[in-house]
Amino acid sequence: DSGVTQTPKHLITATGQRVTLRCSPRSGDLSVYWYQQSLDQGLQFLIQYYNGEERAKGNILERFSAQQFPDLHSELNLSSLELGDSALYFCASSVEGGETYEQYFGPGTRLTVT
Amino acid sequence: AQSVTQPDIHITVSEGASLELRCNYSYGATPYLFWYVQSPGQGLQLLLKYFSGDTLVQGIKGFEAEFKRSQSSFNLRKPSVHWSDAAEYFCAVVPPSGGYQKVTFGIGTKLQVIP
Repeated sequence: DSGVTQTPKHLITATGQRVTLRCSPRSGDLSVYWYQQSLDQGLQFLIQYYNGEERAKGNILERFSAQQFPDLHSELNLSSLELGDSALYFCASSVEGGETYEQYFGPGTRLTVT
Repeated sequence: AQSVTQPDIHITVSEGASLELRCNYSYGATPYLFWYVQSPGQGLQLLLKYFSGDTLVQGIKGFEAEFKRSQSSFNLRKPSVHWSDAAEYFCAVVPPSGGYQKVTFGIGTKLQVIP
């Protein structure tokens, strides 16, 4: 158990809909990362927050957005969903925001778009 | 552009045999290098990382990796594989400057362990 929690575990929704994925980092970790893992694209970094502020932006679509709240939990919002958005979405957290800090991954949210 | 190659998508080894998983990167300067393991239904777990210094890095679960600048490689090794090592292994590269947004993951190597 990494100490990172993600809800829900599974999500099934229809094209065009909007969903919110939630992540609670390990206690004391200030930085949160979001990743997408799919069969055709592999593992892709989406976005990083550090202490409430966006720190790094990867391959995140404009239809996707994220935020980190004052209690440090984070949410990833996916809108106008397409079939290709079906994937595993992981959240990870680290103590600080630099590249050298170890990231602890949550178990993921499996999103299925039908 | 930066890239990471894991040439072996699938590897099968017998329990107790040695293991080497390959990772090659393409980048001008020496990047930060990571190996992660993903067990079925789980998130990734960091096995080891290399930033600088000693080119042989020890990690968790008995794994080690060797950075070879001349070959742009960071291969993962284990002298004796256990059935519990069956998982998918990912190599990742981060440039030392430019921020985490430039992280690149390899496509992964699935390890099967046979008794």
